[in-house]
Formats: sequence, structure tokens, C-alpha cells
Amino acid sequence: KAGVTQTPRYLIKTRGQQVTLSCSPISGHRSVSWYQQTPGQGLQFLFEYFSETQRNKGNFPGRFSGRQFSNSRSEMNVSTLELGDSALYLCASSTRRGHWDTPQYFGPGTRLTVL
Amino acid sequence: SQQGEEDPQALSIQEGENATMNCSYKTSINNLQWYRQNSGRGLVHLILIRSNEREKHSGRLRVTLDTSKKSSSLLITASRAADTASYFCATAPYQNQGAQKLVFGQGTRLTINP
Repeated sequence: KAGVTQTPRYLIKTRGQQVTLSCSPISGHRSVSWYQQTPGQGLQFLFEYFSETQRNKGNFPGRFSGRQFSNSRSEMNVSTLELGDSALYLCASSTRRGHWDTPQYFGPGTRLTVL
Repeated sequence: SQQGEEDPQALSIQEGENATMNCSYKTSINNLQWYRQNSGRGLVHLILIRSNEREKHSGRLRVTLDTSKKSSSLLITASRAADTASYFCATAPYQNQGAQKLVFGQGTRLTINP
């Protein structure tokens, strides 16, 4: 099976702009989660989608949003970018909803730089 | 705030030696997972140990879990250069099923010297 793919791999934006990141999960996986990784805060959970519905949400402002399509592909959007949004954004898929007993399969990430 | 904290933050050993990393967490958990990350890329799942298990093996990996001390350790035996990576523990704090999320520690940076 093909792994989790994320596009684009690298992105440079300026403050105030918005950005959309895409994630295609492993075939058959219906749960997609997003994480932000920064040197200072580490890996932080953004949200999880399952069957096109947001199931869990982390402590991020409303500028961070996402959605999931009927084919389980997911997009994440960040509006009004701030310098602090510079990070590696990781997408992970799994077979089941929730994270409590299921390994997460991660994509390679999208490196976002905000200037 | 981070649920899990790894110790040490960085570890450098010679190829062939064993590497041990520790993880401590704060609240009751359903399970604990270990992941590896190579140089700013995606994470790779290594092993999952449930709260009712005390030890688990996978190839050169050995994971222990002590729920009374809220701690886990990852042992990599006979290390190789390819094991150079950051290692993260991740816990699923016990909550209502619908409110679960995976919480990662800050990671241990392991360097294997040839």
C-alpha cells in the first residue's frame, strides 16, 4: 500500500496570507489527524477527522481549520499567517477513530515557513 | 502541556552499544507508543504497549511499562548508524473515548557514532 502523502512538501508564505495543506491517507484509513511540530513546543495535536467530521480538536486558535472529503483525503487551512506558524505540519492516518489503541501512520510533512 | 517527558534529551553512543531512553507521563493512560523520526521527516511507529502489559519486544527493541511509576523505557540493542534519529513516546491519556488524543513528549535525540 502507498503511504501517507502530503503536498506540498515545502511552502514559503508571508504574514497575513493563508495556506492550504493536503493529506492523502493510506488506502482504507478513515481517520486523519494533523499535528504541528516546532522546536519550542514539540509535537502538538491540531485535530482529527473521521468520516468527514471533526472528532477531536487541540488547543489552537480558530485560524487553524480543516476538512475531510468522502475519499478520506484531508486539507488543513491556516488563515492570517503569523511568524509563529512556521513549523513542520504532519498528517497521520489510522484505521480507527481516536488514538488510544491504534498506531498512527505519518506522512513526510509539509515544512511551512512564514516570512 | 506535554504529557510525556523523555530522558535524556540527547544520547550519543558507539555503534554496537545498547541505547536506553526513558519516558515519564502524568496521568493514567490506555496505552503508550514509541515513534522514531529521522531528521525532520515523518514519524514511524515502533511499538505500542497497553496499560496491562509490562514488557514488549519487537526485533532489537524492548519496551517496558511501569504504570505505578508512570514511566516507560525503550531499549535498542546492538545499535546501528541507521538508528540515529529522534525517539518520541506518545500517550493516550485516559478520558471518555470521544475525547482522546495522542500526546507526544519532547523526544530523545539519539546519535550512533561509527
